[in-house]
Amino acid sequence: DAGITQSPRYKITETGRQVTLMCHQTWSHSYMFWYRQDLGHGLRLIYYSAAADITDKGEVPDGYVVSRSKTENFPLTLESATRSQTSVYFCASSLGQAGGNQPQHFGDGTRLSIL
Amino acid sequence: AQSVTQPDIHITVSEGASLELRCNYSYGATPYLFWYVQSPGQGLQLLLKYFSGDTLVQGIKGFEAEFKRSQSSFNLRKPSVHWSDAAEYFCAVGASINTGTASKLTFGTGTRLQVTL
Repeated sequence: DAGITQSPRYKITETGRQVTLMCHQTWSHSYMFWYRQDLGHGLRLIYYSAAADITDKGEVPDGYVVSRSKTENFPLTLESATRSQTSVYFCASSLGQAGGNQPQHFGDGTRLSIL
Repeated sequence: AQSVTQPDIHITVSEGASLELRCNYSYGATPYLFWYVQSPGQGLQLLLKYFSGDTLVQGIKGFEAEFKRSQSSFNLRKPSVHWSDAAEYFCAVGASINTGTASKLTFGTGTRLQVTL
């Protein structure tokens, strides 16, 4: 049971470059989320998706792009990386079924450094 | 918009001592509340959750939390801390997405727990 996998675990890149962070889940969860974690801010929601081809902005979406062509994958792209996007990025997923609110399950994160 | 405050950035307790981590939330309706724990270099693991019903909820690893609507609080407790509990703890409040069963989570800034032997 692989659960939710993020890749790469670590990435160093330069300002202006495009970088894509991958997220893959094996639970067939309908909802997926991207967060960034920064000191003093906790985790902040970047984008989320309720199903394939349905995405919506979170609290801090500027500078990021997402897509979800398949239920199991939810890549996050920084089209032109900036130093302020240096952070630890977490992907999460949750069920979307009736019967009560569902918790989110998190990947181990991607530590991204932009020079 | 919802918000979460964790007033303690860092707490140190002795092994075997009791623990209480504070969490205050702001939300217009009945909140969905969560506590997560994060070990260094790891993702977040769910400790417990509150949706409705009994205001005292039990979680994994011997943790519990009590929902107090009058105080807008959801404090996490453990009667006897173990050295392995050293980690960062996050409180979160959830707002339903499209009246469905998933939530957009708003996290507090976290409390780092240090355990001394």
